[in-house]
Amino acid sequence: DAGVIQSPRHEVTEMGQEVTLRCKPISGHDYLFWYRQTMMRGLELLIYFNNNVPIDDSGMPEDRFSAKMPNASFSTLKIQPSEPRDSAVYFCASRPAPRGVYGYTFGSGTRLTVV
Amino acid sequence: GNSVTQMEGPVTLSEEAFLTINCTYTATGYPSLFWYVQYPGEGLQLLLKATKADDKGSNKGFEATYRKETTSFHLEKGSVQVSDSAVYFCALTSNFGNEKLTFGTGTRLTIIP
Repeated sequence: DAGVIQSPRHEVTEMGQEVTLRCKPISGHDYLFWYRQTMMRGLELLIYFNNNVPIDDSGMPEDRFSAKMPNASFSTLKIQPSEPRDSAVYFCASRPAPRGVYGYTFGSGTRLTVV
Repeated sequence: GNSVTQMEGPVTLSEEAFLTINCTYTATGYPSLFWYVQYPGEGLQLLLKATKADDKGSNKGFEATYRKETTSFHLEKGSVQVSDSAVYFCALTSNFGNEKLTFGTGTRLTIIP
C-alpha cells in the first residue's frame, strides 16, 4: 500500500487566494482526519470523517475553512480566502475500525505558506 | 476532557546514552496510548502503542509501559543512535466517545556523535 497520499507537498500562495489541499487515505480505512501543525499550537485536529461523513468539525478555525469527502478515496481541505496566519503544515491521517486498537497512518503533509 | 503532558524539550544526548521521555495523561475510562515519531520534513509515524493497563509497546529498541496507577506512558531506549534524532509525540485516544487522537506538545531529541 502506498500509504496516505497528500498533495501538494508545498504550497505558497498570496493572501486572499483560495487554497485546496488533497488527501487520499489508505484503501479500506473508515476514518479520515485533518490535522494542522504549527510551532505555537502544536498538532490540532480540524475535522474527521467516518465512512465519508463529517463527524466532528469543532476544530475548524472559522468559516474560511471547509472540508469534503466525496468518496472513500478522496478528501479535500479548502481555505477561502487564505490569510498569513493559516501558514502551517497540514496533515491528513486515516485508520481502520475498531477504535483504539490501530494507530493512525499519517501522510507526509502539505506545508502551506500564505504571504 | 482528555489531555497529554509531555516532558519539555529539547533533549540532547550523546550516542549510546539511555533515553527517557516522560508522558502522563488524563482521560476518562481506559484509553489507548501511542508514541509517534516525526523525522525532519516528514509526517508522523507510529512508533509503538499499548491498548490496556500493563501492556508494553516496543519497536526499534524503544519501549513504553502503560501504567494506569500513575497514568503514565514513558518512552525509553537503552542506547540511542544519531538516527533517533527526531520529535517524539505521546498521544491517546479514548475507547469510547470522540475518535480524536489527542497529542502532547512533542519532545525534540537530538543525539550527538
